[in-house]
Amino acid sequence: ETGVTQTPRHLVMGMTNKKSLKCEQHLGHNAMYWYKQSAKKPLELMFVYNFKEQTENNSVPSRFSPECPNSSHLFLHLHTLQPEDSALYLCASSQGEGYNEQFFGPGTRLTVL
Amino acid sequence: DQQVKQNSPSLSVQEGRISILNCDYTNSMFDYFLWYKKYPAEGPTFLISISSIKDKNEDGRFTVFLNKSAKHLSLHIVPSQPGDSAVYFCAASEGSNYQLIWGAGTKLIIKP
Repeated sequence: ETGVTQTPRHLVMGMTNKKSLKCEQHLGHNAMYWYKQSAKKPLELMFVYNFKEQTENNSVPSRFSPECPNSSHLFLHLHTLQPEDSALYLCASSQGEGYNEQFFGPGTRLTVL
Repeated sequence: DQQVKQNSPSLSVQEGRISILNCDYTNSMFDYFLWYKKYPAEGPTFLISISSIKDKNEDGRFTVFLNKSAKHLSLHIVPSQPGDSAVYFCAASEGSNYQLIWGAGTKLIIKP
């Protein structure tokens, strides 16, 4: 595997379900990101991890819970989501501080019923 | 309030012609700008970048121009090809902060 991978690619869940999104980067990067992309809106940064430490939480509701066990893996745990949380969730990685270029995974298309 | 704005949601250009995508920003502290390209069902991919110490950067068919006084940058694609049809995002960062601020994207359609 190369680059940034995300699983699953598609996810349909009910409002009472618990699910997790997984991201893995094979680039040796130190920073990883979760973004939410809704139609015709800018990418919304949700969480940032640098060297496994969370450095940013952009006022994301607690029904989204990130986990970064090491610098190559990032999870987004989901529980009791709302229909308005339906979106494309993108994971990205970068070298970290001083390096701006981010590399993205293909995203998980999430639908909340 | 959006710090990075792409005011054209879509743009249609004839194949072989020049495509010009625009981006405006409000934060004068931004000093690094990037363009990303996104196809449906894929994540964005890095296209080209420019530092605020330059006013132009070129890579093959892609050129980015930066006008700091106007807080405006543009991406020129010459000549436009069908494979260039995608959504293009402009992003900016400030100093050593490696986090990016994104525009909403412009959908480019290249007509044969």
